[in-house]
Amino acid sequence: AQSVTQLGSHVSVSEGALVLLRCNYSSSVPPYLFWYVQYPNQGLQLLLKYTSAATLVKGINGFEAEFKKSETSFHLTKPSAHMSDAAEYFCAVSAPGGGADGLTFGKGTHLIIQP
Amino acid sequence: GAGVSQSPSNKVTEKGKDVELRCDPISGHTALYWYRQSLGQGLEFLIYFQGNSAPDKSGLPSDRFSAERTGGSVSTLTIQRTQQEDSAVYLCASSLERGGIAGELFFGEGSRLTVL
Repeated sequence: AQSVTQLGSHVSVSEGALVLLRCNYSSSVPPYLFWYVQYPNQGLQLLLKYTSAATLVKGINGFEAEFKKSETSFHLTKPSAHMSDAAEYFCAVSAPGGGADGLTFGKGTHLIIQP
Repeated sequence: GAGVSQSPSNKVTEKGKDVELRCDPISGHTALYWYRQSLGQGLEFLIYFQGNSAPDKSGLPSDRFSAERTGGSVSTLTIQRTQQEDSAVYLCASSLERGGIAGELFFGEGSRLTVL
């Protein structure tokens, strides 16, 4: 089984500042890694995913994440925060097996954008 | 529709009543997940269906919760004798699995359950 740790349940940044949301994982096999975003009163939608191709992954809305195997990390970044980025962000890891053991979500990070 | 559809979007019920929540996944998606999300909390895994295999029910919190998936498509989550702590948003997601590995999940908008 794998696990996901998202550091910081809440992250606050100023509009225009760098966004950095941290995600560390543990997995016994090469994983797939995902970042999802949830806007208020909506379901989750995929921001980006790593599936063993390029380690730097670009997603929607200017977000990107870098897979660092040595650090078991998949941190999400955006150079310049926008007010519309305020949302809940979830990191997830997938490995062979499916079900509860195959797909694990972090507890989420609430991103607050200050004007 | 092209996406995952859930109904009802909102449900208010009285304590002790039974409720059914429906999920219509994306056509052709073999895997289907139910999650529960309490206010301000993360995702709590409930149950997982994959093709014709026996479902993974390890996340169901009590025997009041059950789910079925008919014909490998539509799924229904049933909560019997609802309690106030069942109040939450219930999210359904579907995906294509290749090689037994979960790919991208496509989520519905969720069903918000309020138990009075």
